[in-house]
Amino acid sequence: TQLLEQSPQFLSIQEGENLTVYCNSSSVFSSLQWYRQEPGEGPVLLVTVVTGGEVKKLKRLTFQFGDARKDSSLHITAAQPGDTGLYLCGSNTGNQFYFGTGTSLTVIP
Amino acid sequence: EAQVTQNPRYLITVTGKKLTVTCSQNMNHEYMSWYRQDPGLGLRQIYYSMNVEVTDKGDVPEGYKVSRKEKRNFPLILESPSPNQTSLYFCASRDSNYGYTFGSGTRLTVV
Repeated sequence: TQLLEQSPQFLSIQEGENLTVYCNSSSVFSSLQWYRQEPGEGPVLLVTVVTGGEVKKLKRLTFQFGDARKDSSLHITAAQPGDTGLYLCGSNTGNQFYFGTGTSLTVIP
Repeated sequence: EAQVTQNPRYLITVTGKKLTVTCSQNMNHEYMSWYRQDPGLGLRQIYYSMNVEVTDKGDVPEGYKVSRKEKRNFPLILESPSPNQTSLYFCASRDSNYGYTFGSGTRLTVV
């Protein structure tokens, strides 16, 4: 059983379209992080959200932490081919850090 | 440049031949961790270390050993590798509640 469920698992869209990916759990988290991973490389941290209801923006990416701190979403506006990659959410429970299985995004030029 | 360095990037070995994957970070982070990444299973934590001489098992520790004799180094040891340990391995470090910095990965094949 995955602590963090991500959806969709795969997403293929045209350049310029908007998209949202989700990260859900039955557990409450003190914070949650989003990473992007490109093929053959390690994940790179995009953002950390801490407060319930928090919204953070990183250029065309908008991250939201659910009010109950059990879920989060990542919205990309006007997707670009450079957004292609595996998007992972992750959080810690106790001393361990868990990742979701990720959303693999392909943006077609 | 702040980074996590792991070596080697690629390794093909035979069943039963002991190997070590090295990991070093230059950010003075206390927390370090090893993950393996497999298709459909995502990133799974093998071992983690809260500080020097403090290590603990993650979700998939069987067949692996680690040590943390110095703050900057956290090697992963496979005493007797088996084909089911063929995977992509990542070392990562972090400071308190901030995010991880990952190494570039080690792709291990055990034949």
